[in-house]
Amino acid sequence: DGGITQSPKYLFRKEGQNVTLSCEQNLNHDAMYWYRQDPGQGLRLIYYSQIVNDFQKGDIAEGYSVSREKKESFPLTVTSAQKNPTAFYLCASSSLRTGTNTEAFFGQGTRLTVV
Amino acid sequence: DQQVKQNSPSLSVQEGRISILNCDYTNSMFDYFLWYKKYPAEGPTFLISISSIKDKNEDGRFTVFLNKSAKHLSLHIVPSQPGDSAVYFCAASASRSGNTGKLIFGQGTTLQVKP
Repeated sequence: DGGITQSPKYLFRKEGQNVTLSCEQNLNHDAMYWYRQDPGQGLRLIYYSQIVNDFQKGDIAEGYSVSREKKESFPLTVTSAQKNPTAFYLCASSSLRTGTNTEAFFGQGTRLTVV
Repeated sequence: DQQVKQNSPSLSVQEGRISILNCDYTNSMFDYFLWYKKYPAEGPTFLISISSIKDKNEDGRFTVFLNKSAKHLSLHIVPSQPGDSAVYFCAASASRSGNTGKLIFGQGTTLQVKP
């Protein structure tokens, strides 16, 4: 089945450690995104990528890094510089082809907790 | 600067009645609007969308209305069912300006449909 897979579903990290969240899609989508959701808030964009080997900062990129070495994969690293990393992280992808809708398809999310 | 706003954090309706969820936006460059449904600890699921060239789009029990002059859109669910209970997010994009599928989300409205 086509879709977006995020792993792991739950992740615990000690303060001061970097951690990488995985996101893989087999929808042949060009664009991929990372969002963060905090309680009582909407989704906020961290980073996005429209093409392999290129990505742009979103609204809250500080303390995060990404890579896009393959079209299917867009891992997110939460670094020790991120002051409030505990959150629910969502990966999404969308088609950029002319004439198609731009709705993003989301993965099931990763709950990161800093202990 | 909240470009997409959902001013009602929660809404409670009786089963069989109409649910109306509202969303306001400020950026006149937005030309594509979407509604997503989200259950706790899961990724959002695309529900329905509307392009700025239309003022109404209908899909089964779900209808989205767009008032461009007021920069306002609404989602109507008729009739409401207990399974519709979830958080609903409004999202917008400025696809024609070259911003591709990057979405700006509102804060979400929690809908509770009582049996």
